[in-house]
Amino acid sequence: KNQVEQSPQSLIILEGKNCTLQCNYTVSPFSNLRWYKQDTGRGPVSLTIMTFSENTKSNGRYTATLDADTKQSSLHITASQLSDSASYICVVSSRRFGAGTRLTVKP
Amino acid sequence: GAGVSQSPRYKVAKRGQDVALRCDPISGHVSLFWYQQALGQGPEFLTYFQNEAQLDKSGLPSDRFFAERPEGSVSTLKIQRTQQEDSAVYLCASSLGRSSEKLFFGSGTQLSVL
Repeated sequence: KNQVEQSPQSLIILEGKNCTLQCNYTVSPFSNLRWYKQDTGRGPVSLTIMTFSENTKSNGRYTATLDADTKQSSLHITASQLSDSASYICVVSSRRFGAGTRLTVKP
Repeated sequence: GAGVSQSPRYKVAKRGQDVALRCDPISGHVSLFWYQQALGQGPEFLTYFQNEAQLDKSGLPSDRFFAERPEGSVSTLKIQRTQQEDSAVYLCASSLGRSSEKLFFGSGTQLSVL
């Protein structure tokens, strides 16, 4: 049923390291793709939005990419901080959510 | 208010009880969404309002689920005859304009059905 697949399911990295999260989707029609950060016990917060014509977009240490042909997106986090520990959720067209990647940043 | 407000924050219900979950969106936001999030999973779309009109209710799992937004602002999600499988966090989100714009989420209502 889930038309948005994220990988990895969980990830542990050391503070200061970079990481890349993946999102593959089959949702149609496509209007946009957003990455959200969800802290435990809180609602998701938008990090970045990608529309059909955009390939790359950056927001501080977050860089999202989109390949509309292969229907793949990635979220790259640079120089990770302890506060980056959260779930990162890929959302397509405001309707379809991925299950998220649980990121843990350790000191 | 400054953000999307949901109440109650936590709700415990006995199986078979009816519950009502409230969402106060950001003032002036046209679009309002309800999602259901099971533990360790991403949110699942339930329903969408544009002002007072419920334009999409395709995600509501059964006819026990009912949502309304009579005046185009506050919304209520009602679950009748709750079952254990209804236990989840119910998230509300709003956006300023069309449904494709950035969503602002509330902190959710955690429903536990015993």
